[in-house]
Amino acid sequence: EAQVTQNPRYLITVTGKKLTVTCSQNMNHEYMSWYRQDPGLGLRQIYYSMNVEVTDKGDVPEGYKVSRKEKRNFPLILESPSPNQTSLYFCASSPWGGNTEAFFGQGTRLTVV
Amino acid sequence: AQSVSQHNHHVILSEAASLELGCNYSYGGTVNLFWYVQYPGQHLQLLLKYFSGDPLVKGIKGFEAEFIKSKFSFNLRKPSVQWSDTAEYFCAASGGSYIPTFGRGTSLIVHP
Repeated sequence: EAQVTQNPRYLITVTGKKLTVTCSQNMNHEYMSWYRQDPGLGLRQIYYSMNVEVTDKGDVPEGYKVSRKEKRNFPLILESPSPNQTSLYFCASSPWGGNTEAFFGQGTRLTVV
Repeated sequence: AQSVSQHNHHVILSEAASLELGCNYSYGGTVNLFWYVQYPGQHLQLLLKYFSGDPLVKGIKGFEAEFIKSKFSFNLRKPSVQWSDTAEYFCAASGGSYIPTFGRGTSLIVHP
């Protein structure tokens, strides 16, 4: 089954404790991205990757890191999480080209206390 | 800069009422347009998309959208909503860079 898998689905952590949210897709998509969803602000793109070893900042990259060492994986790293990073995070992937839909993961609800 | 605007942030309707959600985009050149739906507690799923051809696009669950190039709009419509349509709806656009831009979303509540 074609899917985007995020882990964990829920995470509560403390300020400053490094964490990684994993994202994996099995559709051989070139393009992957991370979004955060906050009430009233919709989806805001954090980082995106057009292919292996190619990543770029989205609209709200501060406090986040990503890597794309393999085509299928695109982990999101919070080196020193802060409470303002409490949010719902989505990973998405799509094939090369703008006329294709994005496939979303189930989401990761992160709470930083 | 590329942008997508959704004018209705919250919409409340009764079952069987008609729905129209507004979406305007700001893109130069060729644009691809999407509507996604997010049911409570779930991830985003594609509702419908427009790439070219017939500007009236039909999607799943009785939804449709009309691309009006002169108005830079891609409004979502449904003639008769159901309680199960309660969800958040996102309009999105992508152009030559194919990096999609999402609108802020519209929260739809349908009362039975």
